Amino acid sequence: QVQLQESGPGLVKTSETLSLTCAVSDSSITRGYYWGWIRQPPGKGLEWIGSIYHSGSTYYNRSLKSRVIMSVDTSKKYFSLNLSSVTAADTAVYYCARRALDDAFDMWGQGTMVTVSS
Amino acid sequence: QPVLTQSSSASASLGSSVKLTCTLSSGHSTYTIAWHQQQPGKAPRYLMTLEDSGRYKKGSRIPDRFSGSSSGTDRYLTISNLQSEDEADYYCEAWDSNIQTFGGGTKLTVL
Repeated sequence: QVQLQESGPGLVKTSETLSLTCAVSDSSITRGYYWGWIRQPPGKGLEWIGSIYHSGSTYYNRSLKSRVIMSVDTSKKYFSLNLSSVTAADTAVYYCARRALDDAFDMWGQGTMVTVSS
Repeated sequence: QPVLTQSSSASASLGSSVKLTCTLSSGHSTYTIAWHQQQPGKAPRYLMTLEDSGRYKKGSRIPDRFSGSSSGTDRYLTISNLQSEDEADYYCEAWDSNIQTFGGGTKLTVL
């Protein structure tokens, strides 16, 4: 079954841009799935950030929309998250995940911790 | 978009059963939701998708001890024969027009 693996810097400076990538282990990145980012601040619940389709169509959480850009590279089998103007409130474990059309996330990456600090 | 409400905590004894609730906001009684389990220090794991009819579809290798049911705007996750490894946070998820939302999660303690 597909595996997802997040990667990126564990420490980002305040006001800079957080950049993460998620590697997809198989060709399902082009097979009708949506690819998403979810985050979890320490000790808190899950927050959906956004999703992207292999065509490049994007859907973002309204509360983060002004700072989020997601992209996908199907040839290299990965998708990315850029979150700009970060503050300490963006400190969280960031997960990538997969879902089908009109469905829930059914596969999750292991997560990567990102700390925002000056 | 639906709002999902979950109790913050629940507890039950080893070997017993527990029923967790996820409540959809008014006007969203027909929505399908999903349940996810997050064991301490681990990533969430998809458990099942649960329809308003009570029909559910489980993820791969999810034990038979996990089942779902529905009533009105309530969606339930029942765990039977509780095991120590069931001690975890449980989140429900809903979606509408490619916008996803999660409930606040229920922390289940196995006594």
